[in-house]
Amino acid sequence: GENVEQHPSTLSVQEGDSAVIKCTYSDSASNYFPWYKQELGKRPQLIIDIRSNVGEKKDQRIAVTLNKTAKHFSLHITETQPEDSAVYFCAASMDDYKLSFGAGTTVTVRA
Amino acid sequence: DAEITQSPRHKITETGRQVTLACHQTWNHNNMFWYRQDLGHGLRLIHYSYGVQDTNKGEVSDGYSVSRSNTEDLPLTLESAASSQTSVYFCASSGGVDSPLHFGNGTRLTVT
Repeated sequence: GENVEQHPSTLSVQEGDSAVIKCTYSDSASNYFPWYKQELGKRPQLIIDIRSNVGEKKDQRIAVTLNKTAKHFSLHITETQPEDSAVYFCAASMDDYKLSFGAGTTVTVRA
Repeated sequence: DAEITQSPRHKITETGRQVTLACHQTWNHNNMFWYRQDLGHGLRLIHYSYGVQDTNKGEVSDGYSVSRSNTEDLPLTLESAASSQTSVYFCASSGGVDSPLHFGNGTRLTVT
């Protein structure tokens, strides 16, 4: 099955700086890569996703890039704010349905 | 508004007992999933269903079972609870291609 690795496991950034989280996947057939944000005690929620026919996607302060050849994708958060503090999960899927998740990155934005 | 509801939110049980966690969605989604969340492991898939009477094993299915008798519900049963099954359990559903995965609020299960 698909194996997704996520780095780093924790990330501390100064408010206003950028944060980058990287994930690698093992199955070249995977074609859907969503990112989820989970605030403390809450459910994971989708923040952005990308498909294998696109190299980059942006939504306001967040962006995701995909390198199919290297089988890795990254989440970029610019101008970080305190409300960006959360656990972020990357995931990969071949068929949109069954997602394999990375282990998560705890992001702390320092005021 | 459509939603996905899990119950109970918290459960404490003893080793060896049978436990059932409920999941009910009003999205009318065919696809439903159970994940467990443990520190350092992220979300790991336990079981999933693509429709009524369809069930499939995920990567950590040992000791768990599910049944799908209607579109709305996918209960998760721990046949004989073990301390290793102490975890936070999330149910999720999706409508398929181009439909994001919606998670429930989670059930925190403690097995003593």
